[in-house]
This record gives sequence, C-alpha cells and structure tokens, in this order.
Amino acid sequence: AQSVAQPEDQVNVAEGNPLTVKCTYSVSGNPYLFWYVQYPNRGLQFLLKYITGDNLVKGSYGFEAEFNKSQTSFHLKKPSALVSDSALYFCAVRDPNDYKLSFGAGTTVTVRA
Amino acid sequence: DTGVSQDPRHKITKRGQNVTFRCDPISEHNRLYWYRQTLGQGPEFLTYFQNEAQLEKSRLLSDRFSAERPKGSFSTLEIQRTEQGDSAMYLCASRKGPRSPLHFGNGTRLTVT
Repeated sequence: AQSVAQPEDQVNVAEGNPLTVKCTYSVSGNPYLFWYVQYPNRGLQFLLKYITGDNLVKGSYGFEAEFNKSQTSFHLKKPSALVSDSALYFCAVRDPNDYKLSFGAGTTVTVRA
Repeated sequence: DTGVSQDPRHKITKRGQNVTFRCDPISEHNRLYWYRQTLGQGPEFLTYFQNEAQLEKSRLLSDRFSAERPKGSFSTLEIQRTEQGDSAMYLCASRKGPRSPLHFGNGTRLTVT
C-alpha cells in the first residue's frame, strides 16, 4: 500500500520569506513523487516530480523539492514566497508497479503581504 | 495541448436521479483516471483506463457508479440513484507515459439535494 502524509493543515508566511510545505510518504518500492497546486474551484496543476536522479528537483513558478530517502520525505520549498502562491498544495506518491497516484490531505498556504 | 476538458462544470440533481459526466483527455494521452474530491480532502482514486480497457476500480466505486471509455478517447462517469453522500468534485486526469505526471481537468462539482 502507498500513502502520503502532509502533517500541516495550514502554513502561513510573509511575502518574501521562505516557504516550506512538508510531505512524507510510504511505498513499498522506489517512489515516484509529485507536487500539485489547486486554486479554488479548479483542478490540480502539476508543479514538479521526482522519478530518479538528483534529489533536488526544480519545478514551475520557482518551486523546488528535495527527495530524502532515509527520511521518506519530499518537502516542497520556495526561497521567496509571493502572495499569489496562496493556494492548496498536494503531495502525491505512486509505486512504479501501480497505476494510481495517492494524494495527501493537502496543505493550505497563505502568504500575507 | 488543449488540456483535459470536463463537462459539465456544475451539476445539481435531486436524490435518486442519475447523472453522467464527460471527460475529454489530452489527445495523445492513452491513460485516463477518475478521482473524487470532497471538501478539505485530497483526491481519492476511483478508476483507471488504459486505452479503452478499465484496468482498476477502487472499492469506493459502488455498484451505482460506472465508467466507460468506449473508443479509448473520451470517458463518461455515470452515477445511478444519486445519494447526498455523492456530493463532491469529480476530477478527470490523463497522462501519456509511465513516468509522466497526471494532467487534471477543472472537475465537475456535483451537488445532490
């Protein structure tokens, strides 16, 4: 079985400060890991993925994430947050031998001006 | 790439009625998924198609739910005898290859009164 935990329901930061959204996962094999962002009444937009290779992956809108196998984590980061980054963020995992992507419960990010 | 298209965007129905949703995936994507998302939760997997074959169904998908992808292009999700607990956002997603991310549509929001 595969699962994702996002331990924080909400993250609040000031504009210009670093943003971190935490994610830990559980999967039997080597994971495929993804981050998505969702704005109100919209579908999910893909931000970045880790499949293999360099543990630090860069994605859209200045976001990056670091894969840490020993801690089974895949935290999302942005060095300088913008008000427009305020949204709902989902971490997701897929076992390469499975079809489905399993999502965490989401973290609401609020960036204040 | 015109994105994943879902129709309708919103559906309000009375308990006991049948509803059908349509999804048009990105044209070269042969893998198609349906997910359900309730308020404050991450998307939950419902079913998966590879071309026209339905390869996996979640135990969440009761006998009242049926999905088809008759020619390996668009897909439909039908809910028979709707219940208030079926109220949710129904998301369709597609992907091209085994390591590709899912691309989501904007969803169909179902309200059962």
